[in-house]
Amino acid sequence: EDQVTQSPEALRLQEGESSSLNCSYTVSGLRGLFWYRQDPGKGPEFLFTLYSAGEEKEKERLKATLTKKESFLHITAPKPEDSATYLCAVQASGSARQLTFGSGTQLTVLP
Amino acid sequence: DAEITQSPRHKITETGRQVTLACHQTWNHNNMFWYRQDLGHGLRLIHYSYGVHDTNKGEVSDGYSVSRSNTEDLPLTLESAASSQTSVYFCASSSDYEQYFGPGTRLTVT
Repeated sequence: EDQVTQSPEALRLQEGESSSLNCSYTVSGLRGLFWYRQDPGKGPEFLFTLYSAGEEKEKERLKATLTKKESFLHITAPKPEDSATYLCAVQASGSARQLTFGSGTQLTVLP
Repeated sequence: DAEITQSPRHKITETGRQVTLACHQTWNHNNMFWYRQDLGHGLRLIHYSYGVHDTNKGEVSDGYSVSRSNTEDLPLTLESAASSQTSVYFCASSSDYEQYFGPGTRLTVT
């Protein structure tokens, strides 16, 4: 059974204080790992797809990296508008297009 | 711009009633999905479809049904609503890898 565990559950940072969110996964053959951002009362918003270990993707203050067992979402010099819940999901090679989600990390960036 | 919409955005219903949640996408994606999101459980897959007339059960499909008569729409029906089905429901669509989500429907069953 595919599993995704995200840590920490919640993270509070001061504006400008860089940190990382963790996503550990077990899957029978990884087809893709996905990061989403979710604001309160809204649907998840797609951020990144990573396909193989060693791959990195960047978007503004966010950088996602992937190893064979986990992914990190690095947030550099965060701003209050980066506050949101960040979700990680995996797509297994045998499950076609289905995603298995973690429970998310709720990030709060204080001004 | 292409988008995915859900209606209603909020719904209150009584136990035992049939409820249908609508999902409409203009991406022309073949794949569509329904999830529910609850505190402590994250997003869980209810049903999914890979094309017209194709439907499949997900992790938490009991008490729910879907039908796909065209590419754009995948309505989710709760046959006899139960209090355990109080949740936020999200529809998503994809062409291959990335799934794009709608704004969600908050359903309360009293």
